[in-house]
Amino acid sequence: GDSVTQMEGPVTLSEEAFLTINCTYTATGYPSLFWYVQYPGEGLQLLLKATKADDKGSNKGFEATYRKETTSFHLEKGSVQVSDSAVYFCALKGGGNNRKLIWGLGTSLAVNP
Amino acid sequence: GAGVSQSPRYKVAKRGQDVALRCDPISGHVSLFWYQQALGQGPEFLTYFQNEAQLDKSGLPSDRFFAERPEGSVSTLKIQRTQQEDSAVYLCASSTRGTSVANEQFFGPGTRLTVL
Repeated sequence: GDSVTQMEGPVTLSEEAFLTINCTYTATGYPSLFWYVQYPGEGLQLLLKATKADDKGSNKGFEATYRKETTSFHLEKGSVQVSDSAVYFCALKGGGNNRKLIWGLGTSLAVNP
Repeated sequence: GAGVSQSPRYKVAKRGQDVALRCDPISGHVSLFWYQQALGQGPEFLTYFQNEAQLDKSGLPSDRFFAERPEGSVSTLKIQRTQQEDSAVYLCASSTRGTSVANEQFFGPGTRLTVL
C-alpha cells in the first residue's frame, strides 16, 4: 500500500540556519503530496502542496519539489526562525477517488535564538 | 470565520466505558474525515464521509469503533468498551468536494482520549 517515510527528529537548529526535512513516498498512480505543520498547542495546518511531478509548493519561505524520479518531496527553508519551531508532517493522497491522507511520523523542529 | 471544532477537547475514560466524540465541520464542507494520532506518531485514517454517506471505513480498527454523520454536517465518533490502546488524539478534518483531488483538508484541534 501507499506509504510515507520521513526523517526522524528531533531537529535542532540555530536561527537563520538552513533546514531540510527529508520525505520519500511509495504510491501507485499519481499521488498529491503535502506538508502539514503543527505549532505547539494548535491543530494541523497545511503548509504547502504539489499535485504533479516537478511541481514546487511554497509558503512562508518553505519549499518542496515533487520529484517522481526519486519519489521524494523534501521540505527546505533557507533561513529558519524561532517561530518555525513545530512538528512537520509529510503526507500523500493517492490518485483517483482515494481521498484519505497517508502520513509520515512527523519531524519535530526546534529553532534556538 | 469558524474552523473545524471538536468536543470535548480532553476525555478521560475508564477501561470498558463508551465514549462519543463530536466534530463540527466548516459550514458547507461536504467531506469529513476522522484520523487517530497516537503519541509520537503521524495521523492514521479511520473513516470518510461525503455528506451523510460513509464512503470509506477501512481504517476503523475494530467493530468497537462507529462513526455517523446523519444530516451531513456534524459527525460523531463512538468507541464502545474502550481499551487502553484506544488512547490517542482523534482528529477531525473537513474539505470541500470540488473537482480537485488535492482539496485541502482543514483540521480541528483534536480530542485527546485517555483510557485508564
